[in-house]
Amino acid sequence: NAGVTQTPKFQVLKTGQSMTLQCAQDMNHEYMSWYRQDPGMGLRLIHYSVGAGITDQGEVPNGYNVSRSTTEDFPLRLLSAAPSQTSVYFCASSYSKGALEQFFGPGTRLTVL
Amino acid sequence: GQQLNQSPQSMFIQEGEDVSMNCTSSSIFNTWLWYKQDPGEGPVLLIALYKAGELTSNGRLTAQFGITRKDSFLNISASIPSDVGIYFCAGLNYGGSQGNLIFGKGTKLSVKP
Repeated sequence: NAGVTQTPKFQVLKTGQSMTLQCAQDMNHEYMSWYRQDPGMGLRLIHYSVGAGITDQGEVPNGYNVSRSTTEDFPLRLLSAAPSQTSVYFCASSYSKGALEQFFGPGTRLTVL
Repeated sequence: GQQLNQSPQSMFIQEGEDVSMNCTSSSIFNTWLWYKQDPGEGPVLLIALYKAGELTSNGRLTAQFGITRKDSFLNISASIPSDVGIYFCAGLNYGGSQGNLIFGKGTKLSVKP
């Protein structure tokens, strides 16, 4: 069991570039989510999914897109990166929405110049 | 939206000292959770609290669910160097569009040997 995996671990982008942050889990969890962590701001929910084919917005969705074509994968897309998107991004999964224990990936540190 | 106020923001303590941190909210939560994030890692669940007034321990950690359901406290006794990290409180409500965790901004703990 690998748990929740994220790639890449580090990424540097120029303003306006696009990229996809990958997230995968092998625990057959229905619920997956993306958070961003900024100094002094804690973890803020970007998007989440309650199952394949179903996604919804969190607290800070602007500038990000997601899709959930399989139970295992939940990629996060930045269509046109901005310096304000410099952050550490965490993917998490749990058995269901509202399940108490969310399992977090190791994070992706993104810098946008 | 719902917000959690977590304090203190940071703590510098000597090994062996006890630590207290708390979290307050302007609204009620059904469940309170405490997570720890080690440097360079994703958060990991420490304690979950389900009922107002509940006091739960996990080794040297003790957490309480406030009577008003708007606050929670975490205590760490006899701190050791591996307690270093960021501690997050999180609130959770069930049902409908809810079921997503709301995180506090974190308490960064440093322990001097």
